Formats: sequence, structure tokens, C-alpha cells
Amino acid sequence: QKEVEQDPGPLSVPEGAIVSLNCTYSNSAFQYFMWYRQYSRKGPELLMYTYSSGNKEDGRFTAQVDKSSKYISLFIRDSQPSDSATYLCAMNDYKLSFGAGTTVTVRA
Amino acid sequence: DGGITQSPKYLFRKEGQNVTLSCEQNLNHDAMYWYRQDPGQGLRLIYYSQIVNDFQKGDIAEGYSVSREKKESFPLTVTSAQKNPTAFYLCASESREYEQYFGPGTRLTVT
Repeated sequence: QKEVEQDPGPLSVPEGAIVSLNCTYSNSAFQYFMWYRQYSRKGPELLMYTYSSGNKEDGRFTAQVDKSSKYISLFIRDSQPSDSATYLCAMNDYKLSFGAGTTVTVRA
Repeated sequence: DGGITQSPKYLFRKEGQNVTLSCEQNLNHDAMYWYRQDPGQGLRLIYYSQIVNDFQKGDIAEGYSVSREKKESFPLTVTSAQKNPTAFYLCASESREYEQYFGPGTRLTVT
């Protein structure tokens, strides 16, 4: 079993829809939770960073962490074609462990 | 303009040759990392360095070597012992708050 599980998709939504992404994990030592966005053939870009359980909002993006369920989510409101990318969850104890990434396409 | 640079962007080599990938950062971060990315497998940790002149093996270190002689630089050598070297290689540096920032990557093709 992988430490971090993420559905690879692909996920296709119409412009303006809410995109919902999630990851589950098995290591209860994880304390820091991140979401990265990666455009094709580029390096990942840090999108959201949260510590411990709760919600964090940044513009159209909301990250949620539920440590009791070992489950994290990323929501993208009012999605745009420019949001089309692969989204990677990552979490940290002494090193960063990544999910496999979910490929999202927002259709104009 | 702070950030991480990797060079070259594309690299082609013949099987049996060693090749060195460059990674430089000007973010003043102590920790640096090398990852390999293959389709459908996410990022896998090759080597990391928490401080100058010290580095540790990651999950898939076999066939790779690194050095950390300067804080700004963390080059990765892909040796001929690496069985499947064709991949996208990513370098990252880490802030004290554990945020990792990535370079643009190097796509290595070995034939």
C-alpha cells in the first residue's frame, strides 16, 4: 500500500464548475500538507500549504485537511481553462511524500 | 529574481555514459532535493541534502550520485549503473517552513 493515494483521473469539467480533488494517506506522522499544480513539461508549483486539520482559503482555492480520517481535499471554484493541469498532493514528516497526481481539464 | 534553475532543459545521451544534471538556487535554502518523475508514478525521491557537505539517499538512489560542495548547488550524476535513466528530473529546495520549491526540470533521454 502506498503512503499517499491519489486518484489519477483524468477529470474533465466545464468552465465555471467546482473541481474537487482528494488524497488519502496512511502515515499518522504527517503534519504538513501541500497541493502542487504542474503544467505539462514544467516543474510543480506550490499552490496551497496547510498545517494540521482545518480549512485554508486562497482566492478560488480551498484546501481541507481531516487528520482523523487521514484525508485531504482541494477545491477549485469557478474553474478556468488555465486551471487545466496535474494537481499533486504532498505531505511531510521528515521528507515529502507525493500522490501520483490528478490530471484536470477545464473545458471552455 | 529568486528561484531554482536547472540545466539543460533537454538532455540526450547514449547508454553507458554518465551524465550530470545541474541545479542551482538563490533562495538561501539549506535543504535541497532531487526527484524523478515517471508517468503515473508521481515524484520519487532520489537524494537529498540538509546542509552543505552532507547528503542522504532517498527511495531510489541506486545508479545516481550527488555532491553538495556549495549551498547554492546540488548536481546530480546519472551513472551507467542506472537501469532506466530516461525520465523527467526535478530539483527542489526547501524553506525552514518545509515548503519545497521546484525548478523547471530536465528531461533526460537515454538511447
